[in-house]
Amino acid sequence: NAGVTQTPKFQVLKTGQSMTLQCAQDMNHNSMYWYRQDPGMGLRLIYYSASEGTTDKGEVPNGYNVSRLNKREFSLRLESAAPSQTSVYFCASGGGYEQYFGPGTRLTVT
Amino acid sequence: QKEVEQDPGPLSVPEGAIVSLNCTYSNSAFQYFMWYRQYSRKGPELLMYTYSSGNKEDGRFTAQVDKSSKYISLFIRDSQPSDSATYLCAMSRSSNTGKLIFGQGTTLQVKP
Repeated sequence: NAGVTQTPKFQVLKTGQSMTLQCAQDMNHNSMYWYRQDPGMGLRLIYYSASEGTTDKGEVPNGYNVSRLNKREFSLRLESAAPSQTSVYFCASGGGYEQYFGPGTRLTVT
Repeated sequence: QKEVEQDPGPLSVPEGAIVSLNCTYSNSAFQYFMWYRQYSRKGPELLMYTYSSGNKEDGRFTAQVDKSSKYISLFIRDSQPSDSATYLCAMSRSSNTGKLIFGQGTTLQVKP
């Protein structure tokens, strides 16, 4: 089992460019999540999906969109990247208090 | 004010020391209290969870929750260099939603 996988691992964007972060899980979980992690801020929830076909905003959704493509895959899109979106992005899956995290994507926006 | 506050450290201790990591929170609706461990450049992984108040022990790790004081702790006994990581507390109102609120994380270094 691969668990939760994320691509890419690293990305550098220029301000205004767009990109999609991909996430997939093989644990048959209904719920999936996208977080960002910034120094001194901990993990903050961007969007989550409680089940296939549903998505909902978290704490910091502005500037992002998500798609729950199927039960396995949950993608995060930055339509027009800004330097404030420089961060490490984690995808997670699981129910309730136990979430399984991917290895993260380190994104730099210049 | 953040809903969950955690001293970011860093905390440096010698091998074998007892480590105490703490979080405070403001929302009395939180019922589930978790500790996640994150090694450098990795994703967090669940270490322990506690429902409501009380203690829970797992090997060298003990989690305590005091809801009356809105204070949770993680104790690590006989700390090892392999315990060097960032420890994040997390809280949730229910076991269903999965909407966790994380503290800032405390970075721990255990020196041999």
